[in-house]
Amino acid sequence: DVVLTQTPPTLLATIGQSVSISCRSSQSLLHSNGNTYLNWLLQRTGQSPQPLIYLVSKLESGVPNRFSGSGSGTDFTLKISGVEAEDLGVYYCMQFTHYPFTFGSGTKLEIK
Amino acid sequence: QVQLKESGPGLVQPSETLSLTCTVSGFSLTSYSVSWVRQPSGKGPEWMGRMWYDGDTAYNSALKSRLSISRDTSKNQVFLKMNSLQTDDTGTYYCTRGFAYWGQGTLVTVSS
Repeated sequence: DVVLTQTPPTLLATIGQSVSISCRSSQSLLHSNGNTYLNWLLQRTGQSPQPLIYLVSKLESGVPNRFSGSGSGTDFTLKISGVEAEDLGVYYCMQFTHYPFTFGSGTKLEIK
Repeated sequence: QVQLKESGPGLVQPSETLSLTCTVSGFSLTSYSVSWVRQPSGKGPEWMGRMWYDGDTAYNSALKSRLSISRDTSKNQVFLKMNSLQTDDTGTYYCTRGFAYWGQGTLVTVSS
């Protein structure tokens, strides 16, 4: 199975600070069709996961543009340019290039 | 708009079978795939399996021997059945379309 390693596990940020979360895959997520099926999700406490980024860097509809994704192959990054209070929660990367689809271990964003 | 809603028993006895229903609206099951994802309390999500738009299925190999996913397109429903439940199957079960749209989740507790 593909293992997605997220760092850091916890992130403490002030409002307005820019932060980055890393997601490293145990194997390349480049599909034979040329797409890289790496998404980022945010799960607030007591809520379902909500999509942020798909196909590495495409912003889901309605997601603020302070969120951005980058990377290729096995190394991916989610950046929040100017954290806001509503951004707190647990961030997960996930892949669906290879079966079984897998999720990262999560990064908990806390606001100072 | 796109909606998914899980339903099923909140409590299941050990060794019994879990049956869940995902009722969708706003899209056709013959055009989009639906996955089941579960999440133990305080832990990361786990992909369980997928019902493809063409009726094919894919399962997480870790659960394949216990899991079955089916659908009724006339009722806009996707079903999950998993047998031989144990206490570590306790958690919140979600259905999701493309990991972009998620149901609210249903809590399943395995206990006698």
